[in-house]
Amino acid sequence: QTVVTQEPSFSVSPGGTVTLTCGLTSGSVSSTNYPSWYQQTPGQAPRTLIYNTNSRSSGVPDRFFGSILENKAALTITGAQADDEADYYCVLYMGSGISVFGGGTKLTVL
Amino acid sequence: QPQLQESGPGLVKPSETLSLTCTVSGGSVSSSSYYWGWVRQPPGKGLEWIGSVYYTGATYYNPSLKGRVTIFIDTSNNQFSLELNSVTAADTAVFYCARHYQHSMFYPWGQGTLVTVSS
Repeated sequence: QTVVTQEPSFSVSPGGTVTLTCGLTSGSVSSTNYPSWYQQTPGQAPRTLIYNTNSRSSGVPDRFFGSILENKAALTITGAQADDEADYYCVLYMGSGISVFGGGTKLTVL
Repeated sequence: QPQLQESGPGLVKPSETLSLTCTVSGGSVSSSSYYWGWVRQPPGKGLEWIGSVYYTGATYYNPSLKGRVTIFIDTSNNQFSLELNSVTAADTAVFYCARHYQHSMFYPWGQGTLVTVSS
């Protein structure tokens, strides 16, 4: 069974840039997986950031950028702010109506 | 954007059936453009897609839950519902409903509801 992989944790300095990735245990991620990204802070529902690889959801600042990098989906955050500290999840479409969440990345801003 | 609101019992006994409903306002579940989905999150763990339903009643389910889960849609009341049977403590989670489209996009989300499985 193919699993969606994410870095368990990452840290970034305030004002810095960080790239989180979303891969597959078997195979490469492409635009046909329609990668999407979500931000979640404790006790809150997820916030939709990116869909279809690189389209920003309503109200999401252009500091958040989605792409495909080296066979993985990627979420790049520039000018990191304290309130970017959160868990970030990717979702990949696996075909046949099946969507799979990655395990999430805990981002620390310090 | 529509608003979604989950409702249902917060406590379910082991081996029984968990039932939740998501009520949609400001939008129609009868739209041919969207699916409507359920996602869960056990305490301290990550998100897991449970399944999604189309206005026609067509469904897709997470293979790991197939056989225990049913999602159905009620277009007359603009709602869709989740049933998860034979629950165990491992099914304790916050359950979210969300509009599901563009293959993997979930937006917007309900606020979530905690369901605890315990005797």
